[in-house]
Amino acid sequence: ETAVFQTPNYHVTQVGNEVSFNCKQTLGHDTMYWYKQDSKKLLKIMFSYNNKQLIVNETVPRRFSPQSSDKAHLNLRIKSVEPEDSAVYLCASSSWTGGFYAEQFFGPGTRLTVL
Amino acid sequence: GQGVEQPAKLMSVEGTFARVNCTYSTSGFNGLSWYQQREGQAPVFLSYVVLDGLKDSGHFSTFLSRSNGYSYLLLTELQIKDSASYLCAVDSNYQLIWGSGTKLIIKP
Repeated sequence: ETAVFQTPNYHVTQVGNEVSFNCKQTLGHDTMYWYKQDSKKLLKIMFSYNNKQLIVNETVPRRFSPQSSDKAHLNLRIKSVEPEDSAVYLCASSSWTGGFYAEQFFGPGTRLTVL
Repeated sequence: GQGVEQPAKLMSVEGTFARVNCTYSTSGFNGLSWYQQREGQAPVFLSYVVLDGLKDSGHFSTFLSRSNGYSYLLLTELQIKDSASYLCAVDSNYQLIWGSGTKLIIKP
């Protein structure tokens, strides 16, 4: 099956803990993204990787860091979670075309709840 | 500042049509995408528009007016399964700026 896969689906943790979310795509794409979707459904891009190089790094807190082993994997680590990190984290991939007009394929998301 | 605005909710009736509006104000414009997101699911790409005018894709059509910073997604012959949030996103100078989405509620 060709798609974008994310694990875990849900994660509940306490303030100050470290969490890591995994993303893998089997679509043969060369660009992957991490988005945060808040309770109002607003999507904000956090990171994108093209051929293992960070090409967009929005002003996210330093406790967030992307980790990529190859162009099919892009993980997200949060070093010390805070309550405002509670959200759905969506991973996506696309073929790099020099812009964002390539169709992006999204994973099912990881819902993080910070107590 | 830059922004993409969408109404939060829209209600319509099965078998009729719905027009989902999107207005934007961005420093650059390369194109605009529309995505559908059902509750608890991932966004799914519907359309990408670059040129002014109406782009007819059957059940979904999109309109763009770059001079007015305006686009809409038109859904015809609505079905209950079209109930979802519809997100527009502007490709602006290597940034993708998303609206908060419009939740489309379809009544029988």
